[in-house]
Formats: sequence, C-alpha cells, structure tokens
Amino acid sequence: NAGVTQTPKFQVLKTGQSMTLQCAQDMNHNSMYWYRQDPGMGLRLIYYSASEGTTDKGEVPNGYNVSRLNKREFSLRLESAAPSQTSVYFCASSETGSKNTIYFGEGSWLTVV
Amino acid sequence: SQQGEEDPQALSIQEGENATMNCSYKTSINNLQWYRQNSGRGLVHLILIRSNEREKHSGRLRVTLDTSKKSSSLLITASRAADTASYFCATARVNTDKLIFGTGTRLQVFP
Repeated sequence: NAGVTQTPKFQVLKTGQSMTLQCAQDMNHNSMYWYRQDPGMGLRLIYYSASEGTTDKGEVPNGYNVSRLNKREFSLRLESAAPSQTSVYFCASSETGSKNTIYFGEGSWLTVV
Repeated sequence: SQQGEEDPQALSIQEGENATMNCSYKTSINNLQWYRQNSGRGLVHLILIRSNEREKHSGRLRVTLDTSKKSSSLLITASRAADTASYFCATARVNTDKLIFGTGTRLQVFP
C-alpha cells in the first residue's frame, strides 16, 4: 500500500518552462490537495479537489492549474515557471474533505532558476 | 485567509521534559488537526479533535480545544529526542473542506 505517491521528487526548471507534478493515491479517497511549503512557513493550499471532476482554488492558486484526471490522480501544472514558484510541493488526500485525516506524499522539490 | 498560528515558533527542551505548543485560529471550525513533519519529509497526522470535543489523548499526546478562545494546545509528555520535528495545526472553516495550516512550531529535544 503506497499511500500518496508524487513524481518527480526533484526538478530544476528554467524561468518560463512548463512542467506537471503528478500525484496518485491508492486509498480510494475522494478528496485531494496540492500544497506548497516555503522555508520557515507552513503549508499553503494551492488547489483542492473534493471529488473526481471538481477542483477549487486555495490560498495561492495564481500561476498553477490542476487536473483531477480520475479518482486516483491529481496533477499540478506550472505553465510558465517563475523563481517565486521555487518551493516544496506536497500532494495529499483524504477520504472526504477536512473531516478526516489527510495523508501526505513525501514532497517534490522544485527549483526555478 | 483563515490560518492557525502556532506559538512558540521554536522550542528547545531536554529529553524527559514536557513540550507544549499552542495554536490560535480565526473563525468557527469543524475540527482541528495536528500534524508532525520530520525534516525533509511529508506531514504525518497526529490527532484530530472535533469542535464539540474539549480534550483528546493519544499515547503521550494530549490536545485541548477551546472554541470560545479559538485556540488549541498540543502537549507532548516525557519528550524524546525522536520527537524533534515541526508541528503544525490545521483547521477548516465550517462548511468548507479546505484544510489550512499554520506556520508551525519547530521542536528540538536534546538527549
């Protein structure tokens, strides 16, 4: 049982390049999340998906797009990366929203130069 | 935006001592959750306390919730060096499912 799996683990991008962070969960959870974590700060919610086919903006959605491809997968896309998007990105999932425990992936370290 | 604010930002103690961390939030919530993050890792769920609960225990962890003061505390008793980590509280406003995290408390437990 892998839980929440994110890829890639590490990525270096040049300013203006695009990339997609992939996330999959094998717990049959309905809700999935993308957060970013900057040094000395807590996690900030980028996007949230309550269920397959639905997505909603979080605290810091600008510069990102998401796709809830199916119940298992929730991807995060940077269309034109900026240095301000250098961060650690965490995908997470829960059975049903915030009423349940949220399970996190191990993070994706992204550097934009 | 609603966000839990933890206090203190950093805490250093000796093994065997108790560690207390506090969290304050801004609006009515469904529940409050505490998570732990070891350096370079993802977050791990510790405990969830619902808005109608006042205290909850799990092993060496004790969480309290005071909805009138919009605050919560996490107590780790008899701390161990392995408890060294960052601890975050997270809340969701009533009728939303967006779980918002605070900035965390960095706990260092010295052997």
